[in-house]
Amino acid sequence: AQSVTQLGSHVSVSEGALVLLRCNYSSSVPPYLFWYVQYPNQGLQLLLKYTSAATLVKGINGFEAEFKKSETSFHLTKPSAHMSDAAEYFCAVSLMNRDDKIIFGKGTRLHILP
Amino acid sequence: GAVVSQHPSWVICKSGTSVKIECRSLDFQATTMFWYRQFPKQSLMLMATSNEGSKATYEQGVEKDKFLINHASLTLSTLTVTSAHPEDSSFYICSARDSRTYNEQFFGPGTRLTVL
Repeated sequence: AQSVTQLGSHVSVSEGALVLLRCNYSSSVPPYLFWYVQYPNQGLQLLLKYTSAATLVKGINGFEAEFKKSETSFHLTKPSAHMSDAAEYFCAVSLMNRDDKIIFGKGTRLHILP
Repeated sequence: GAVVSQHPSWVICKSGTSVKIECRSLDFQATTMFWYRQFPKQSLMLMATSNEGSKATYEQGVEKDKFLINHASLTLSTLTVTSAHPEDSSFYICSARDSRTYNEQFFGPGTRLTVL
């Protein structure tokens, strides 16, 4: 079975600083990987996804993530944090099977310091 | 495109009553919809997978008689919380998979249920 581990339930960065949110996955077969963002009392918005094409994936709002098979990682980065980036971020994994479900990590709350 | 709506966005009910939550894909057909539950400051927990025209598949530990799911059309799935109790209070989120794209789910805005 696949699983996702997000390191750090809370991450604080200063405005303008690099954002790095860590995600490691476990999967017996090549996975699809996702990063979602959730603002308070709202649903989830897809930031980006990896579907076995390019290992460096660019998403919305300046975020990107790199799939590293050797490290089973899919860390999310953004070069310069903005106050509006403060939210909950979820890493998720799914098998490359159209009938399979998405498994979410526990989430990381990103705080942006002025 | 790929918009999913939920109705209502929030609901307060008395203990023992039943509550129905609708999930609609507005501009695409969704052969599969998913229902999640999210407790405060926690991740999403998949409750069930709903396929159009067939019975839902429930995750382990989810009571199918308490959380009734109906997926009668390619654009609508409903979750009914029967005989709700305070411990059922939660944020319920649905998602719909576009039948044209592999594994991408589009999420609704969620429904906040409070049972008094």
